[in-house]
Amino acid sequence: EAGVAQSPRYKIIEKRQSVAFWCNPISGHATLYWYQQILGQGPKLLIQFQNNGVVDDSQLPKDRFSAERLKGVDSTLKIQPAKLEDSAVYLCASSLGTSYTGELFFGEGSRLTVL
Amino acid sequence: GEDVEQSLFLSVREGDSSVINCTYTDSSSTYLYWYKQEPGAGLQLLTYIFSNMDMKQDQRLTVLLNKKDKHLSLRIADTQTGDSAIYFCAEPFLGGGNKLTFGTGTQLKVEL
Repeated sequence: EAGVAQSPRYKIIEKRQSVAFWCNPISGHATLYWYQQILGQGPKLLIQFQNNGVVDDSQLPKDRFSAERLKGVDSTLKIQPAKLEDSAVYLCASSLGTSYTGELFFGEGSRLTVL
Repeated sequence: GEDVEQSLFLSVREGDSSVINCTYTDSSSTYLYWYKQEPGAGLQLLTYIFSNMDMKQDQRLTVLLNKKDKHLSLRIADTQTGDSAIYFCAEPFLGGGNKLTFGTGTQLKVEL
């Protein structure tokens, strides 16, 4: 079974530029999450989708971050304009549903460096 | 906010036992989780414990749960170099579900 795919693995941009990350979850997983992991910290949830609808985006900085999952499968996370403090690894995860019973399956992450 | 706390670093010798500790925040959490992150990789579920249990054993892993103190620990017996990684404990957001709050992570270094 293929795992969660993310791209690009690495991205370096200057502040005020924009960047987009792509995630393809495990086939059949209805729920998709984007987490931000700053160096030395645990992952922090940015947004959760159930199929193509947003379940929780309360921790997404909406002035600069946006995410979509138009067809209920792939998702993109965009940052525009980027700030220095956005340097982090952006992890995508998926699960079968929203109940506690399922484990989260993580991709390898997209490492963003903002100069 | 919810803060799940862990010590940052642990170093052990190969063959010894490792104990990684975590203090969580929500006494109503139904499940508590341990995830492992190897260098350059995403997180992988290692084990979990249901809140009505005090202990769960899974091969070399033992999870202990003290609900009164909101304390969770992970013991790895006969620690191997392949166990070197960052270990995160996690609890569901208030209200449950699969939204998880992760701790700060404990980096385990296994020395020969």
